[in-house]
Amino acid sequence: QSALTQPASESGSPGQSITISCTGTSSDVGRYNLVSWYQQRPGKAPKLMIYEDTHRPSGVSNRFSGSKSGNTASLTISGLQAEDEADYYCSSFAGLSTFVLFGGGTKLTVL
Amino acid sequence: EVQLLESGGALVQPGGSLRLSCAASGFAFRSWAMTWVRQSPGKGLEWVSNIINTGETTYYADSVKGRFTISRDNSKNTLYLQMHSLRAEDTALYYCAKSHGSGWIYDYWGQGTLVTVSS
Repeated sequence: QSALTQPASESGSPGQSITISCTGTSSDVGRYNLVSWYQQRPGKAPKLMIYEDTHRPSGVSNRFSGSKSGNTASLTISGLQAEDEADYYCSSFAGLSTFVLFGGGTKLTVL
Repeated sequence: EVQLLESGGALVQPGGSLRLSCAASGFAFRSWAMTWVRQSPGKGLEWVSNIINTGETTYYADSVKGRFTISRDNSKNTLYLQMHSLRAEDTALYYCAKSHGSGWIYDYWGQGTLVTVSS
């Protein structure tokens, strides 16, 4: 099964809001409420930002929010800050044969 | 504080074997499923394998099935990944991560250990 589809890059200015999309299929994103989003800064390990489509772990800024419509999940970052510059990956449970799919990652640049 | 410390990465020839370890601390290791995720240089994340908290059930990506074996020792708070028949495409930074909730979400990650498969 193919990886989830994310835009390769997004950019925004400080204070703006941006949305990163993650498109799957009715067998993964559209079937299970198990989309997660991870932030990865250069040279660092991934960090969980959103889980189960819309939930935010404790300690993650409320500027980060998740949503889903059909086979497409989205991560929205409001009030962009320089520290948000990173790669963002979505993932989804995809059933008990494929298990977990990741998106190809989106490089976010804060202008 | 949750800590995950991977070790065992090395340069290995194609066809060779390697065992990775992940020492866990700061949480009830025996209560949580664990996973290995890898990242090829300059590339994205790829899920490799999951193991439930008891170790009785394991799951593998098609790309490693039959070559890799995940296991755990709950008495030592340690996760393992035994890798055989290594290929150039297995070259990657291997992360261990703790699961959250359903087991398919990963809330804490180690810093990774590098496996390079090359002659």
